[in-house]
Amino acid sequence: DTEVTQTPKHLVMGMTNKKSLKCEQHMGHRAMYWYKQKAKKPPELMFVYSYEKLSINESVPSRFSPECPNSSLLNLHLHALQPEDSALYLCASSQKGGQGVNEQYFGPGTRLTVT
Amino acid sequence: GEDVEQSLFLSVREGDSSVINCTYTDSSSTYLYWYKQEPGAGLQLLTYIFSNMDMKQDQRLTVLLNKKDKHLSLRIADTQTGDSAIYFCAERVEDTGRRALTFGSGTRLQVQP
Repeated sequence: DTEVTQTPKHLVMGMTNKKSLKCEQHMGHRAMYWYKQKAKKPPELMFVYSYEKLSINESVPSRFSPECPNSSLLNLHLHALQPEDSALYLCASSQKGGQGVNEQYFGPGTRLTVT
Repeated sequence: GEDVEQSLFLSVREGDSSVINCTYTDSSSTYLYWYKQEPGAGLQLLTYIFSNMDMKQDQRLTVLLNKKDKHLSLRIADTQTGDSAIYFCAERVEDTGRRALTFGSGTRLQVQP
């Protein structure tokens, strides 16, 4: 099973709302990632968790707050977003954050629209 | 620098071969990957190559790496309409400790029946 699942598939939220994106994998992977992808652009790394600890934060605004409650789950909490935050949010996982091929497997994404 | 560049668009006829090119600037890249993204979907890992290899073949896919010129290519033999998608190359540089991927701009492959 090489599946990474994400919920919801689509999300529309206002600028004052609080919502969360969820990501789950059952491959025993110990590294999980959040990427943001704008239309017609490549994915851009936001956060990396390695063994449930935040290891990389790519200077993401504090209105995005990641959480890794256990090795299978990754959340992204959203608060006071701006319309320019509308994008496809992709979750990925890899066996570990260390050396080696470290293939990343991606979920289908959550299409977020901020109104 | 960590820029990864690709041509934006490629159109081929069904049954022909497709060659998608990628150039990168960081000579420390350890692994290079090819991902496929269909409309509205996530990224699917197609194949990867380790930086000490020149070529890797996997069924219809052939990856060529020219480390001297920092050039990577993906050849798809007998291209099918189902291959229409955006293809991203990505590099990973281990010695920075980042363990994360830097993606190219993506090449949209259109396969004409």
